[in-house]
Amino acid sequence: EVQLVQSGAEVKKPGESLKISCKGSGYRFTNYWIGWVRQMPGKGLEWMGIIYPGDSETRYRPSFQGLVTISADRSNSTAYLQWSSLKASDTAIYYCARRFNAVTMGFDYWGQGTLVTVSS
Amino acid sequence: FMLTQPHSVSESPGKTVTISCTGSSGSIASNYVQWYQQRPGSAPTTMIYEDNQRPSGVPDRFSGSIDSSSNSASLTISGLKTEDEAEYYCQSYDSSKHLVFGGGTKLTVL
Repeated sequence: EVQLVQSGAEVKKPGESLKISCKGSGYRFTNYWIGWVRQMPGKGLEWMGIIYPGDSETRYRPSFQGLVTISADRSNSTAYLQWSSLKASDTAIYYCARRFNAVTMGFDYWGQGTLVTVSS
Repeated sequence: FMLTQPHSVSESPGKTVTISCTGSSGSIASNYVQWYQQRPGSAPTTMIYEDNQRPSGVPDRFSGSIDSSSNSASLTISGLKTEDEAEYYCQSYDSSKHLVFGGGTKLTVL
């Protein structure tokens, strides 16, 4: 059974760093792209970027480029999303999701989400 | 490139409802469209992929289609159940292969 299990909720202060994780199981982790999606309070879904764990190729939505870093560790089948300096506006739920395949640019499996709260 | 959905729709149990998703430019038929369901407090789940394919486990009450003449995709739910009440998002991608989500449609089953 394919599963994406994300790390737990975080409460941080502005300016702090953070790295959240998404562990894949039940499939060959290196063969599927993993994307990150933001959902701000009461808002819709926003695609942030995506990584191919097989070779670590990464693509970012322009509005997130330079603000976050997406990475992956093939050895423990885990993808990461990190910030070096959080802002209050980063408060949101962050979902990881597995891309269907090399052709279909959409997601088939989703993680349960990680709530990030940034507040002084 | 943007995808526009109605903010909300409502229909009675047992009826059929259609949610539209209109592309802002180009041909929506050029790139596959997916549909996701998000119930309150839960992660999204995939209901339709590649315009009209259902993942295993998704009831055949859910169907997807493309209308090139209106540059729109549609999600149709027949035999509505109260459990279908949720937010529905369409998704495709732009010329840079960046994924794009529609703004979401809140379905109320009353």
